[in-house]
Amino acid sequence: KAGVTQTPRYLIKTRGQQVTLSCSPISGHRSVSWYQQTPGQGLQFLFEYFSETQRNKGNFPGRFSGRQFSNSRSEMNVSTLELGDSALYLCASSLGQDTGELFFGEGSRLTVL
Amino acid sequence: GENVEQHPSTLSVQEGDSAVIKCTYSDSASNYFPWYKQELGKRPQLIIDIRSNVGEKKDQRIAVTLNKTAKHFSLHITETQPEDSAVYFCAASPFYNQGGKLIFGQGTELSVKP
Repeated sequence: KAGVTQTPRYLIKTRGQQVTLSCSPISGHRSVSWYQQTPGQGLQFLFEYFSETQRNKGNFPGRFSGRQFSNSRSEMNVSTLELGDSALYLCASSLGQDTGELFFGEGSRLTVL
Repeated sequence: GENVEQHPSTLSVQEGDSAVIKCTYSDSASNYFPWYKQELGKRPQLIIDIRSNVGEKKDQRIAVTLNKTAKHFSLHITETQPEDSAVYFCAASPFYNQGGKLIFGQGTELSVKP
């Protein structure tokens, strides 16, 4: 069974640009969550999608957005990039019925210059 | 707001010793408490979890205890081995209808010296 796949793995952007990250969950998983990981802040919840609907949202500004497609694949977008957006963005999938094991992808490492 | 405090931030033990990591949560509605292990450059992986109707759970050398009254939960690793070296994250979440939303602690970097 294939794991959670995230693309791209690494990317470099400049301030003011926007970026789109992609996540393909494990087959059969309907929930996709996104987390931001930084050395100073640890793992912070961005948002979660279940059956194409945003079910939960963390405390991030509106520049961070996401969506989920009918095949459960998800994308997140960050607009007007700031230096502080440099981080590892982790996607996690789960069956989605209720809280249970999250299966993380390897992450997309974003560097903003 | 929801918050999970984790201590210590770093922990160094000799191989064979025990390691204990403690977490405190703020949201009294939390009733699911997983622990994730993240090796250097790797993705976080679930190692054990506990639900609020259970006070303790064991899996070989790993155990987790939960005190709902005090809002504390702890990870215990016995007979530590060098491969236990990693960053460990505790987390908390309401069990129902919160899906993939976990509030993580800041992490504990565990170093097991041979």
